[in-house]
Amino acid sequence: ETGVTQSPTHLIKTRGQQVTLRCSSQSGHNTVSWYQQALGQGPQFIFQYYREEENGRGNFPPRFSGLQFPNYSSELNVNALELDDSALYLCATGGGANTEAFFGQGTRLTVV
Amino acid sequence: AQKITQTQPGMFVQEKEAVTLDCTYDTSDQSYGLFWYKQPSSGEMIFLIYQGSYDEQNATEGRYSLNFQKARKSANLVISASQLGDSAMYFCAMSPLNAGNNRKLIWGLGTSLAVNP
Repeated sequence: ETGVTQSPTHLIKTRGQQVTLRCSSQSGHNTVSWYQQALGQGPQFIFQYYREEENGRGNFPPRFSGLQFPNYSSELNVNALELDDSALYLCATGGGANTEAFFGQGTRLTVV
Repeated sequence: AQKITQTQPGMFVQEKEAVTLDCTYDTSDQSYGLFWYKQPSSGEMIFLIYQGSYDEQNATEGRYSLNFQKARKSANLVISASQLGDSAMYFCAMSPLNAGNNRKLIWGLGTSLAVNP
């Protein structure tokens, strides 16, 4: 049990729609990262928030955006959904080069 | 560019036997951390073991050990006494050590492990 909770667990959206995924942590880590994991692939880093500001971003377009709140919970927003956005989205708190990150169970997004 | 390579898409092992999952990495950084995670079908990433680039001893955590060969840039995971519950995807990941507050992990494609009774 990592104490990281993501909601919803599953979601089906139509191409062109917008979606918001949520992540909360019991630990109070001030860093949250989001990853996209396509079927059969390893996770890809989307971005990271530290103390409510984005401080690192992977190779994802601006329609992927996020927020981190004062209680360190976080949202991932994706606009203009595309079929290729179908994936497992993972939220992680903490971590770093010398300590492990704690992951939620993920949100499975299907875009039809 | 930093990269993690896992060359074994799938592995089989008999229950109670040991298995080695391969991982090689590429980085120009002098300092970095290497991680192994387990991902069951439920999706959650479960931390298994960590090795720092400056650690001289190979990391061990219960039945998990990491065979770290820095010159070869390899960080293989060894699971001893395999159990049926070990059946899952296994991912090798790397994080730079001197990146301040950056927690970015770079991941391999994973290895699917099946433990046979």
